[in-house]
Amino acid sequence: SQKIEQNSEALNIQEGKTATLTCNYTNYSPAYLQWYRQDPGRGPVFLLLIRENEKEKRKERLKVTFDTTLKQSLFHITASQPADSATYLCALKNTGNQFYFGTGTSLTVIP
Amino acid sequence: GAVVSQHPSWVICKSGTSVKIECRSLDFQATTMFWYRQFPKQSLMLMATSNEGSKATYEQGVEKDKFLINHASLTLSTLTVTSAHPEDSSFYICSAEGTSVGNEQFFGPGTRLTVL
Repeated sequence: SQKIEQNSEALNIQEGKTATLTCNYTNYSPAYLQWYRQDPGRGPVFLLLIRENEKEKRKERLKVTFDTTLKQSLFHITASQPADSATYLCALKNTGNQFYFGTGTSLTVIP
Repeated sequence: GAVVSQHPSWVICKSGTSVKIECRSLDFQATTMFWYRQFPKQSLMLMATSNEGSKATYEQGVEKDKFLINHASLTLSTLTVTSAHPEDSSFYICSAEGTSVGNEQFFGPGTRLTVL
């Protein structure tokens, strides 16, 4: 069956450290993968997109890697801040043009 | 970035009534719109994909007669929950993508539906 799993439901880290979130998928052939941030009661906000032929993408303090052999994407937030506390979602776009979301990881950055 | 709005943001209705939720792309033409449902502390579940001017494609397990989707223009899609029941209470989120905004998917702020 098809699955998109994110490493843990909740992740707590100290301010200033690097947060690393994992997204693993099975039985998908994604054209690309996206990461979103969602705050409580709000819609997701797009952060980064990485294509199947790209290994790494960066945007300010964010970095995403994509390993199609391992079927895994890693999402890093460097120099984390309390304002980074939110739920982070990975999403795959498959060749049929649908988007499917992972289970989400709730990140808390402790001051 | 591109903006997607939803209306209403919050609705309470009685069991058996129908509720319409609108999703609009404000500054771009949305060739494709997606409707999602999200239960508390769970991820987004894709309900259907709609392309302007054609019938929506529903995900397995989603009743198309219960969740009517219309994508009549390049800036508007509507989701109508027909004969709503308490188990339909959820957070409904739409998203849109268009060729002018690349392959990004832009999300609306969501609509909280509570069925009494």
